[in-house]
Order: sequence, then structure tokens, then C-alpha cells
Amino acid sequence: AQSVTQLGSHVSVSEGALVLLRCNYSSSVPPYLFWYVQYPNQGLQLLLKYTTGATLVKGINGFEAEFKKSETSFHLTKPSAHMSDAAEYFCAVSDTGGGNKLTFGTGTQLKVEL
Amino acid sequence: NAGVTQTPKFRILKIGQSMTLQCTQDMNHNYMYWYRQDPGMGLKLIYYSVGAGITDKGEVPNGYNVSRSTTEDFPLRLELAAPSQTSVYFCASRSGTGGIGELFFGEGSRLTVL
Repeated sequence: AQSVTQLGSHVSVSEGALVLLRCNYSSSVPPYLFWYVQYPNQGLQLLLKYTTGATLVKGINGFEAEFKKSETSFHLTKPSAHMSDAAEYFCAVSDTGGGNKLTFGTGTQLKVEL
Repeated sequence: NAGVTQTPKFRILKIGQSMTLQCTQDMNHNYMYWYRQDPGMGLKLIYYSVGAGITDKGEVPNGYNVSRSTTEDFPLRLELAAPSQTSVYFCASRSGTGGIGELFFGEGSRLTVL
């Protein structure tokens, strides 16, 4: 069974600083990996996904993530944080069996300070 | 294009009452899912469906039931509500074609059981 671990339930950065949100996965098959963002009182929105091919994946709002098989990691980064990036971020891994179900991590709340 | 629509947005139930959370999508997606979100726990899959007439259990199905009579609708039934079912519930859908595609989420239904 697949699983995802997000290190750090809360991360705080200054506006303009690098954002780094960590995600490690466990999967017995080549994984499909996702990052979703949730703004207050809203559903989740897809930031980016890795399926196959290029290991550096670019998403919306300047975010990117790199799939590192040797480290079983899929960390999310953004070079310069903006106040509007404050939200909760979820890493997820997809089941390749029936239903292609997503297993989510416990989430990381990102706070951006002036 | 409404996407995924959930009703109601808020509901308070007494212990032992029953209710149905409604979910409708207008994207002709085959795959639909119900998740619950609890603070610090991420999202847990309750039930999912790969098409009309086909449903299956997720990680936390106890106390819930679903049906899928049409492609558009995927209601979640709570029987004999318990305080442990206090949560935010999200319905999501995705296309069944083109590989592991994006999950589209509704805005959530916040349920309190007292």
C-alpha cells in the first residue's frame, strides 16, 4: 500500500524567501505523485503532478517539485514566497489499481510573514 | 460550468439522526470519491465509484453508505450519526481516461454531530 509523509505540519517563511515543503512517499510500484493546495474554506486544487518522464515538474503559481526516486521524495519549492501563498498544502500518491485512489499526507500549513 | 457541487455546506445533527450529503458533477467524470478531512489528519477516503452502478469502500467506510445511480450524482448517507462523524466532507471527481488525471473537489460540507 502507498503512503505519504509530510515533514512539518506548520512552516513559516518571510515574504520573498524560499518555500520548501517536504514530502516522502512509500510505494511498491512506480508512483504517481501530486501536490494540492487548500485555501481557507475551500476544496483542494491541483498544484502539480508527476506521472512519468521529466523528474522536475512545474506547476501553477511558480511552484515546482522534483521527483527523486533514490530518496523517495517529492519536495515542493517556490523561489520567492508571496503573501497569497499562505494555505495548506497536501502531498498525495496515487494507487494504480482499481479506482486510482489518492492517499493524502497530513498536510503542511504555510504561513507567510511580512 | 459548475464543476463539483456539494450540499449542504453546513449541517448540525443530533446523535442518532441520519442525513444525506449530496454531490453532483457536470463534467461527465466516471470516477467519484468521498473524503473526510479532520484537523492534522489529512484526507481519508470513505467510498469511491468508478462509474454508475459501481461503488467500493475506501479507508474509513464504517457508518456511511453510498449509491451511484447516475454518472452525475454520488450521495453519501450517514446512518445513526455519531460525534466521531463530525468532520468536513469533500466530494471529488475525475475523468477515467488519459491516465491519472486531476481530481476536482467540491467546496466541502461541514458536519457537526452533537
